[in-house]
Amino acid sequence: GNSVTQMEGPVTLSEEAFLTINCTYTATGYPSLFWYVQYPGEGLQLLLKATKADDKGSNKGFEATYRKETTSFHLEKGSVQVSDSAVYFCALSEKNNDMRFGAGTRLTVKP
Amino acid sequence: DAMVIQNPRYQVTQFGKPVTLSCSQTLNHNVMYWYQQKSSQAPKLLFHYYDKDFNNEADTPDNFQSRRPNTSFCFLDIRSPGLGDAAMYLCATSYRGGAGGNTQYFGPGTRLTVL
Repeated sequence: GNSVTQMEGPVTLSEEAFLTINCTYTATGYPSLFWYVQYPGEGLQLLLKATKADDKGSNKGFEATYRKETTSFHLEKGSVQVSDSAVYFCALSEKNNDMRFGAGTRLTVKP
Repeated sequence: DAMVIQNPRYQVTQFGKPVTLSCSQTLNHNVMYWYQQKSSQAPKLLFHYYDKDFNNEADTPDNFQSRRPNTSFCFLDIRSPGLGDAAMYLCATSYRGGAGGNTQYFGPGTRLTVL
């Protein structure tokens, strides 16, 4: 079945540091891949997505590239801010199928 | 702005006292989902409606029920809440039948406390 494995946290960085959160997936077909962000006490917000191999999703300085050869969708940001502190979820979905979430990675950015 | 709305944001109930959580959407999506989330763990899917078709996850307790009276609204009913049901409940919507995977859009969640 489909599954997502993401880097365990928590991750603590200083402001302006480079961020990478690893995500790999297992799928039987050709899934769409997503990153969601959850701020404290809030629901999940779609951060970015990619629907086919080699697509790059980007938003708010975050990027992730759909790598079919390595079955990966790693999240990166060049310079994190305190306001990026949140929990990040990697997820996949195949057409008409349910979403599969990774376990989540808590990011704390210190000034 | 099109959105997913959940009411209330915070709900307190007593052990065993039925409670209903509400979700509405202005996205005109044909699928609505209910998730349970504990302590920033991954959301756990309870069930979903595809139009009027109800789809229950195999491990969702019978204590949890859902209603979707129309396209815009979906309710989560907890018939006899236990202490273990205290959690964040998330509603999400998606459009099934379009290109690509089902992007799900989440509401802000309802935090349920059971006393």
